[in-house]
Amino acid sequence: DIQMTQSPSSLSASVGDRVTITCRASQSISTYLNWYQQKPGKAPYLLIYDASSLQSGVPSRFSGSGSGTDFTLTISSLQPDDFATYYCQQSYSVPPDLTFGGGTKVEIK
Amino acid sequence: QVTLRESGPALVKPTQTLTLTCTFSGFSLSTNGMCVSWIRQPPGKALEWLARIDWDDDKFYRTSLKTRLTVSKDPSKNQVVLTMTNVDPVDTATYYCALGTNWRGPLHFWGQGTLVTVSS
Repeated sequence: DIQMTQSPSSLSASVGDRVTITCRASQSISTYLNWYQQKPGKAPYLLIYDASSLQSGVPSRFSGSGSGTDFTLTISSLQPDDFATYYCQQSYSVPPDLTFGGGTKVEIK
Repeated sequence: QVTLRESGPALVKPTQTLTLTCTFSGFSLSTNGMCVSWIRQPPGKALEWLARIDWDDDKFYRTSLKTRLTVSKDPSKNQVVLTMTNVDPVDTATYYCALGTNWRGPLHFWGQGTLVTVSS
């Protein structure tokens, strides 16, 4: 099974800060890596798919990069609406076994 | 407009079988590439993928839960059903269904989730 490790598990940041979250896969997953945002009491929401493609309607301050085993989600200028938990998820496995990372909680500093 | 909605019991006793239904609209699960997954999230913990059923009736399960899970679909009712046997308090979680639109793609649309508590 492919394991997904996110870091940090939590971070404190201020509005306007640049925030970077990393996700590491236990083996190469090419670019089959997706990022989701989840707010308390709500379902996850797709932000980035295929490592770097921005989902329609997602603000351009969100970006993703990486391939193989190492990936990053960057928020270029943190906004009040961005305080949430972020999850990476791999969709490389055959047969499908859609592993999620442990999550990164972004809190207000 | 794609929507998904989970339904099922809020409380289940240990050792019982849990049955959850995902009712969807805005797409057909008979369309090439469509797939519906079940994911759960224990309170305060991370997301955990459980199972998936594809447009061609292929089914996939989390390895560690494979013996306890069954997923099925009823295209005429626009529903996907997940059953989990022999539940335990550790199965207490919010259960989500979500739509993917290609075999190795992301989960584009999610239901709101339903909280299931396993307790005697």
